[in-house]
Amino acid sequence: KAGVTQTPRYLIKTRGQQVTLSCSPISGHRSVSWYQQTPGQGLQFLFEYFSETQRNKGNFPGRFSGRQFSNSRSEMNVSTLELGDSALYLCASSYNTGFSYGYTFGSGTRLTVV
Amino acid sequence: GQQLNQSPQSMFIQEGEDVSMNCTSSSIFNTWLWYKQDPGEGPVLLIALYKAGELTSNGRLTAQFGITRKDSFLNISASIPSDVGIYFCAGPNSGAGSYQLTFGKGTKLSVIP
Repeated sequence: KAGVTQTPRYLIKTRGQQVTLSCSPISGHRSVSWYQQTPGQGLQFLFEYFSETQRNKGNFPGRFSGRQFSNSRSEMNVSTLELGDSALYLCASSYNTGFSYGYTFGSGTRLTVV
Repeated sequence: GQQLNQSPQSMFIQEGEDVSMNCTSSSIFNTWLWYKQDPGEGPVLLIALYKAGELTSNGRLTAQFGITRKDSFLNISASIPSDVGIYFCAGPNSGAGSYQLTFGKGTKLSVIP
């Protein structure tokens, strides 16, 4: 079965712009979580969506937002980009909230802010 | 917040050697997960541990959930070149309805053929 699909794979943006990243979960999975990965901070939780509702949010500024659609696809948006937002953004999907249901990561979107 | 400390940060080993890495926390975790990440890819789940004292194997990989619930280790036996990558431990944050994962900073494994 198809895995978690993230688009685009690579993105270069200019400071001050905004960006939207997309995540298509595994078919049947209803929970989508987003993580930011940087060399300095490692993997950090951004937010989690389940049935179109944000259930958890990490410690990131309000410039980071997301949403989930009725087909479970999710998007995250970063406004007013800063150089420090350069990172690998990963999404993970699960059938339900809770890790016993399986938690599969996509390959990520590599965002570079210049 | 909860933190996971992984050691070693990196290791170089000869092909065929066994590898051991561990993860500790000052907080109790009820689930321990071990992931491997290849360059340019997302983390892939290797082993999940749900019970204190549990010892679980997946091929050449063996992981244990510490009885104090504050540590876990991962062993790789007879390493091969494709074991190269970064290994992460992770656990769910505590709190009702909270299913976000806390990750360690990773152990970077290099295998010398």
